Amino acid sequence: AQKITQTQPGMFVQEKEAVTLDCTYDTSDPSYGLFWYKQPSSGEMIFLIYQGSYDQQNATEGRYSLNFQKARKSANLVISASQLGDSAMYFCAMREVSGNTGKLIFGQGTTLQVKP
Amino acid sequence: DVKVTQSSRYLVKRTGEKVFLECVQDMDHENMFWYRQDPGLGLRLIYFSYDVKMKEKGDIPEGYSVSREKKERFSLILESASTNQTSMYLCASSSEGVWYEQYFGPGTRLTVT
Repeated sequence: AQKITQTQPGMFVQEKEAVTLDCTYDTSDPSYGLFWYKQPSSGEMIFLIYQGSYDQQNATEGRYSLNFQKARKSANLVISASQLGDSAMYFCAMREVSGNTGKLIFGQGTTLQVKP
Repeated sequence: DVKVTQSSRYLVKRTGEKVFLECVQDMDHENMFWYRQDPGLGLRLIYFSYDVKMKEKGDIPEGYSVSREKKERFSLILESASTNQTSMYLCASSSEGVWYEQYFGPGTRLTVT
Protein backbone atom coordinates (compact mmCIF):
# COMPACT_ATOMS: atom_id res chain seq x y z
CA ALA A 1 0.00 0.00 0.00
CA GLN A 2 1.18 3.49 -0.71
CA LYS A 3 2.49 5.46 2.22
CA ILE A 4 4.16 8.79 2.93
CA THR A 5 6.36 9.33 5.99
CA GLN A 6 7.61 12.59 7.42
CA THR A 7 9.76 11.81 10.44
CA GLN A 8 10.39 15.36 11.66
CA PRO A 9 7.42 16.69 13.65
CA GLY A 10 9.16 20.05 14.16
CA MET A 11 12.19 21.91 12.83
CA PHE A 12 13.94 25.17 13.59
CA VAL A 13 16.06 27.17 11.18
CA GLN A 14 17.82 30.51 11.39
CA GLU A 15 16.61 33.20 9.02
CA LYS A 16 18.58 33.23 5.74
CA GLU A 17 19.84 29.68 6.19
CA ALA A 18 18.78 26.66 4.14
CA VAL A 19 16.67 23.85 5.58
CA THR A 20 15.76 20.36 4.40
CA LEU A 21 12.46 18.74 5.25
CA ASP A 22 12.47 14.95 4.92
CA CYS A 23 9.93 12.81 3.11
CA THR A 24 10.03 9.13 2.25
CA TYR A 25 7.39 7.23 0.33
CA ASP A 26 6.42 3.71 -0.52
CA THR A 27 4.60 2.58 -3.64
CA SER A 28 4.62 -0.30 -6.07
CA ASP A 29 3.35 1.84 -8.93
CA PRO A 30 6.16 2.87 -11.33
CA SER A 31 4.28 6.05 -12.23
CA TYR A 32 3.57 8.55 -9.49
CA GLY A 33 3.78 12.20 -8.60
CA LEU A 34 5.16 13.81 -5.46
CA PHE A 35 3.90 17.13 -4.11
CA TRP A 36 4.80 19.52 -1.32
CA TYR A 37 2.27 21.84 0.28
CA LYS A 38 2.68 24.64 2.81
CA GLN A 39 0.04 25.37 5.45
CA PRO A 40 0.48 28.68 7.31
CA SER A 41 -1.29 29.31 10.59
CA SER A 42 -4.24 30.73 8.65
CA GLY A 43 -5.02 27.18 7.52
CA GLU A 44 -5.04 27.27 3.74
CA MET A 45 -2.94 24.71 1.87
CA ILE A 46 -0.57 26.24 -0.65
CA PHE A 47 0.96 24.13 -3.41
CA LEU A 48 4.75 24.54 -3.59
CA ILE A 49 6.37 22.05 -5.93
CA TYR A 50 5.81 18.86 -7.94
CA GLN A 51 8.08 16.00 -9.06
CA GLY A 52 7.07 13.24 -11.45
CA SER A 53 8.56 9.77 -11.04
CA TYR A 54 10.00 9.84 -14.56
CA ASP A 55 11.41 13.35 -14.35
CA GLN A 56 15.14 13.25 -14.91
CA GLN A 57 15.92 16.45 -13.06
CA ASN A 58 15.02 17.63 -9.60
CA ALA A 59 12.15 20.11 -9.57
CA THR A 60 12.82 23.71 -8.56
CA GLU A 61 10.47 26.62 -7.93
CA GLY A 62 12.17 29.79 -6.76
CA ARG A 63 13.63 29.12 -3.30
CA TYR A 64 12.12 25.63 -3.21
CA SER A 65 13.78 22.56 -4.64
CA LEU A 66 12.95 18.91 -4.37
CA ASN A 67 15.81 16.48 -3.74
CA PHE A 68 14.41 13.40 -5.47
CA GLN A 69 16.26 10.15 -4.82
CA LYS A 70 14.22 7.47 -6.52
CA ALA A 71 16.24 4.47 -5.38
CA ARG A 72 15.93 5.59 -1.77
CA LYS A 73 12.28 6.56 -2.27
CA SER A 74 12.86 9.97 -0.79
CA ALA A 75 11.60 13.38 -1.88
CA ASN A 76 13.05 15.96 0.49
CA LEU A 77 12.09 19.62 0.25
CA VAL A 78 14.94 22.11 0.40
CA ILE A 79 14.15 25.73 1.22
CA SER A 80 17.03 28.08 0.56
CA ALA A 81 17.53 31.43 2.29
CA SER A 82 14.74 30.92 4.83
CA GLN A 83 12.42 33.82 5.56
CA LEU A 84 10.20 34.49 8.56
CA GLY A 85 7.19 33.92 6.33
CA ASP A 86 8.32 30.34 5.74
CA SER A 87 7.20 29.46 9.26
CA ALA A 88 4.38 26.99 8.64
CA MET A 89 3.48 23.34 8.50
CA TYR A 90 4.72 21.47 5.43
CA PHE A 91 3.13 18.38 3.96
CA CYS A 92 4.55 15.88 1.51
CA ALA A 93 2.02 14.03 -0.64
CA MET A 94 1.98 11.37 -3.33
CA ARG A 95 -0.38 10.42 -6.11
CA GLU A 96 -0.24 7.20 -8.10
CA VAL A 97 -1.10 7.23 -11.77
CA SER A 98 -3.06 3.98 -11.71
CA GLY A 99 -6.73 4.65 -11.13
CA ASN A 100 -6.43 8.19 -12.44
CA THR A 101 -8.61 9.57 -9.67
CA GLY A 102 -6.25 12.24 -8.50
CA LYS A 103 -6.18 10.91 -4.94
CA LEU A 104 -3.38 12.25 -2.79
CA ILE A 105 -1.85 10.48 0.19
CA PHE A 106 -0.38 12.92 2.72
CA GLY A 107 2.36 12.59 5.29
CA GLN A 108 1.93 13.67 8.90
CA GLY A 109 3.49 17.07 8.31
CA THR A 110 6.52 18.96 9.62
CA THR A 111 6.21 22.25 11.47
CA LEU A 112 8.98 24.66 10.50
CA GLN A 113 9.84 27.68 12.63
CA VAL A 114 12.19 30.30 11.25
CA LYS A 115 14.11 32.24 13.90
CA PRO A 116 15.05 35.90 13.32
CA ASP B 1 -6.72 32.28 -10.01
CA VAL B 2 -8.39 29.06 -8.95
CA LYS B 3 -10.76 29.64 -6.13
CA VAL B 4 -12.16 27.04 -3.77
CA THR B 5 -14.53 28.36 -1.15
CA GLN B 6 -16.05 26.69 1.87
CA SER B 7 -19.29 27.81 3.46
CA SER B 8 -17.93 28.42 6.97
CA ARG B 9 -14.53 28.95 8.58
CA TYR B 10 -15.78 27.98 12.03
CA LEU B 11 -18.79 25.88 13.00
CA VAL B 12 -20.06 24.66 16.35
CA LYS B 13 -22.69 21.91 16.41
CA ARG B 14 -24.27 19.68 18.99
CA THR B 15 -23.99 15.90 19.14
CA GLY B 16 -26.64 14.27 16.97
CA GLU B 17 -27.17 17.26 14.68
CA LYS B 18 -27.06 16.88 10.91
CA VAL B 19 -24.22 19.00 9.54
CA PHE B 20 -23.66 20.22 5.99
CA LEU B 21 -20.29 21.49 4.81
CA GLU B 22 -20.37 23.12 1.40
CA CYS B 23 -17.54 23.53 -1.06
CA VAL B 24 -17.59 25.43 -4.34
CA GLN B 25 -14.87 25.72 -6.99
CA ASP B 26 -14.85 28.10 -9.93
CA MET B 27 -12.37 26.42 -12.29
CA ASP B 28 -14.55 23.73 -13.87
CA HIS B 29 -12.48 20.99 -12.21
CA GLU B 30 -13.65 17.42 -12.61
CA ASN B 31 -12.23 16.12 -9.32
CA MET B 32 -13.26 17.26 -5.86
CA PHE B 33 -12.15 15.97 -2.48
CA TRP B 34 -12.98 16.17 1.20
CA TYR B 35 -10.23 15.69 3.81
CA ARG B 36 -10.10 15.97 7.53
CA GLN B 37 -6.96 17.15 9.29
CA ASP B 38 -6.03 16.13 12.80
CA PRO B 39 -2.78 16.85 14.67
CA GLY B 40 -0.14 14.19 14.06
CA LEU B 41 -2.24 12.44 11.42
CA GLY B 42 -1.88 14.79 8.47
CA LEU B 43 -4.75 14.95 5.99
CA ARG B 44 -6.95 11.93 5.53
CA LEU B 45 -9.29 11.49 2.59
CA ILE B 46 -12.96 11.10 3.46
CA TYR B 47 -14.64 11.04 0.03
CA PHE B 48 -13.88 12.18 -3.46
CA SER B 49 -15.82 12.73 -6.65
CA TYR B 50 -14.53 12.60 -10.22
CA ASP B 51 -17.77 13.65 -11.91
CA VAL B 52 -21.24 14.95 -11.17
CA LYS B 53 -23.24 12.42 -9.15
CA MET B 54 -20.17 10.18 -8.90
CA LYS B 55 -18.49 9.55 -5.57
CA GLU B 56 -15.98 7.18 -4.08
CA LYS B 57 -15.03 6.41 -0.51
CA GLY B 58 -11.69 7.53 0.72
CA ASP B 59 -9.80 6.18 3.68
CA ILE B 60 -12.18 7.24 6.47
CA PRO B 61 -15.76 7.46 5.10
CA GLU B 62 -17.55 6.14 8.18
CA GLY B 63 -20.03 8.63 9.58
CA TYR B 64 -19.96 10.81 6.47
CA SER B 65 -21.77 11.07 3.17
CA VAL B 66 -21.37 13.39 0.20
CA SER B 67 -23.39 14.93 -2.58
CA ARG B 68 -22.36 16.33 -5.95
CA GLU B 69 -25.37 17.51 -7.91
CA LYS B 70 -23.48 20.19 -9.83
CA LYS B 71 -19.93 20.13 -11.11
CA GLU B 72 -18.82 23.13 -9.06
CA ARG B 73 -20.30 22.07 -5.73
CA PHE B 74 -19.34 19.19 -3.43
CA SER B 75 -21.07 18.80 -0.08
CA LEU B 76 -19.97 16.81 2.95
CA ILE B 77 -22.74 15.61 5.26
CA LEU B 78 -22.44 14.43 8.82
CA GLU B 79 -25.70 12.58 9.30
CA SER B 80 -25.47 12.60 13.11
CA ALA B 81 -22.50 14.57 14.38
CA SER B 82 -20.38 13.05 17.11
CA THR B 83 -17.62 14.54 19.25
CA ASN B 84 -14.96 12.47 17.46
CA GLN B 85 -15.82 14.37 14.28
CA THR B 86 -14.45 17.56 15.78
CA SER B 87 -11.72 18.43 13.30
CA MET B 88 -10.55 20.70 10.50
CA TYR B 89 -12.24 19.86 7.21
CA LEU B 90 -10.56 20.78 3.94
CA CYS B 91 -12.08 20.68 0.49
CA ALA B 92 -9.95 20.49 -2.65
CA SER B 93 -10.39 20.33 -6.40
CA SER B 94 -8.19 19.41 -9.35
CA SER B 95 -8.24 18.92 -13.08
CA GLU B 96 -8.68 15.44 -14.48
CA GLY B 97 -5.03 14.85 -15.37
CA VAL B 98 -3.10 13.01 -12.67
CA TRP B 99 -0.20 15.43 -12.82
CA TYR B 100 -2.22 18.42 -11.70
CA GLU B 101 -2.01 19.74 -8.16
CA GLN B 102 -5.02 20.01 -5.92
CA TYR B 103 -6.29 23.43 -4.95
CA PHE B 104 -7.60 23.75 -1.42
CA GLY B 105 -10.25 25.82 0.25
CA PRO B 106 -9.56 27.73 3.48
CA GLY B 107 -10.92 24.95 5.68
CA THR B 108 -13.79 24.64 8.15
CA ARG B 109 -12.96 24.09 11.79
CA LEU B 110 -15.86 22.06 13.15
CA THR B 111 -16.45 21.61 16.87
CA VAL B 112 -19.06 19.10 18.01
CA THR B 113 -20.12 19.53 21.62
